[in-house]
Amino acid sequence: GAVVSQHPSWVICKSGTSVKIECRSLDFQATTMFWYRQFPKQSLMLMATSNEGSKATYEQGVEKDKFLINHASLTLSTLTVTSAHPEDSSFYICSARGRPPPPTYGYTFGSGTRLTVV
Amino acid sequence: GQSLEQPSEVTAVEGAIVQINCTYQTSGFYGLSWYQQHDGGAPTFLSYNALDGLEETGRFSSFLSRSDSYGYLLLQELQMKDSASYFCAVPSGGYQKVTFGTGTKLQVIP
Repeated sequence: GAVVSQHPSWVICKSGTSVKIECRSLDFQATTMFWYRQFPKQSLMLMATSNEGSKATYEQGVEKDKFLINHASLTLSTLTVTSAHPEDSSFYICSARGRPPPPTYGYTFGSGTRLTVV
Repeated sequence: GQSLEQPSEVTAVEGAIVQINCTYQTSGFYGLSWYQQHDGGAPTFLSYNALDGLEETGRFSSFLSRSDSYGYLLLQELQMKDSASYFCAVPSGGYQKVTFGTGTKLQVIP
């Protein structure tokens, strides 16, 4: 079945540094990648949508200069949290949609990245 | 915008049946999905309803009424491992981005 590999699964970084999270589609072409953030005991909130080769579309309230998204190929998308602060500590999850459509009606999720900023 | 409301918590006994409801308000509707998420894990797809009625997948069933903007997930023969958060979700927009409901934390007790 369709698999999205997300790395790292967890990361601890110092305040002010940047962290890069990668999502790779292993057996399909991810034409669209969605990035979500989830705070404890809350739902998944969409941060941005990216299509291969074009700029990401950010949801209202998400700082595009802080959360840099790159989707340069059909198998790789990255999210970079720049100048991270403790309030950025969260669970970040990617979700891919592509060709051929994954069996889960088009959406395959990565395993998530737990970011802790100290 | 999209809005999906769910009860925040549900507790049920092992072996019993539990229903998790979802009411939604969307601009455009393509279907209702359900996901399971264990603590610390990623969402796992459970079911999808594009049309009214009941879809059954093993112990899990999902129901949709488009006229009522309402759906539910039915879990039968509950097991302890079913303790998790459950989210309804809808795709929307040109890129079919998924909006998740508020989530229901299910606790299965012996």
